[in-house]
Amino acid sequence: DARVTQTPRHKVTEMGQEVTMRCQPILGHNTVFWYRQTMMQGLELLAYFRNRAPLDDSGMPKDRFSAEMPDATLATLKIQPSEPRDSAVYFCASREANEQFFGPGTRLTVL
Amino acid sequence: AQRVTQPEKLLSVFKGAPVELKCNYSYSGSPELFWYVQYSRQRLQLLLRHISRESIKGFTADLNKGETSFHLKKPFAQEEDSAMYYCALSESNFGNEKLTFGTGTRLTIIP
Repeated sequence: DARVTQTPRHKVTEMGQEVTMRCQPILGHNTVFWYRQTMMQGLELLAYFRNRAPLDDSGMPKDRFSAEMPDATLATLKIQPSEPRDSAVYFCASREANEQFFGPGTRLTVL
Repeated sequence: AQRVTQPEKLLSVFKGAPVELKCNYSYSGSPELFWYVQYSRQRLQLLLRHISRESIKGFTADLNKGETSFHLKKPFAQEEDSAMYYCALSESNFGNEKLTFGTGTRLTIIP
């Protein structure tokens, strides 16, 4: 049963620290998304890739966030420096046949 | 720009009663609409899409272009329907890749 995996599942860090979240998309899926979920905003698209190339990162604060796909099996989302307002659940998803398959999320708390 | 509105953050319904979760959208093109669901301690997953015109777990949703709505309905609520529900829109000119989500409705079924 192929699934999107994300690590870590939980992360607590202090303001100013670097945070790296990782995602392994389902093998063969060539489109990968990063979302942020908060109570107030719901699910917001941060960035997405097709065939490892970034297509849209307009939802991402450029000064502190960066997203990459070093290879087809790994997507990363980095925050440097982190701030308390970044506290949220970050989801990765990969896509096949117009359906997005979501990972379990990384719950980030920035103190 | 596209927008998805779910006016109810919280909705409580008695078991056996009808359920309707509202979703309105704004988009100048021809959209594809979806409902995603997140059960407790599970990952977000696709519930249904308007092009399929199917009933999943007793839920149906009809795209009303005149009212720009895609409300989710079920005639008789069950306790296992308690979950977070997200309405989402796919932009046709992005090859149906990018999804814009609403802020979500938390549905609670009262036994």
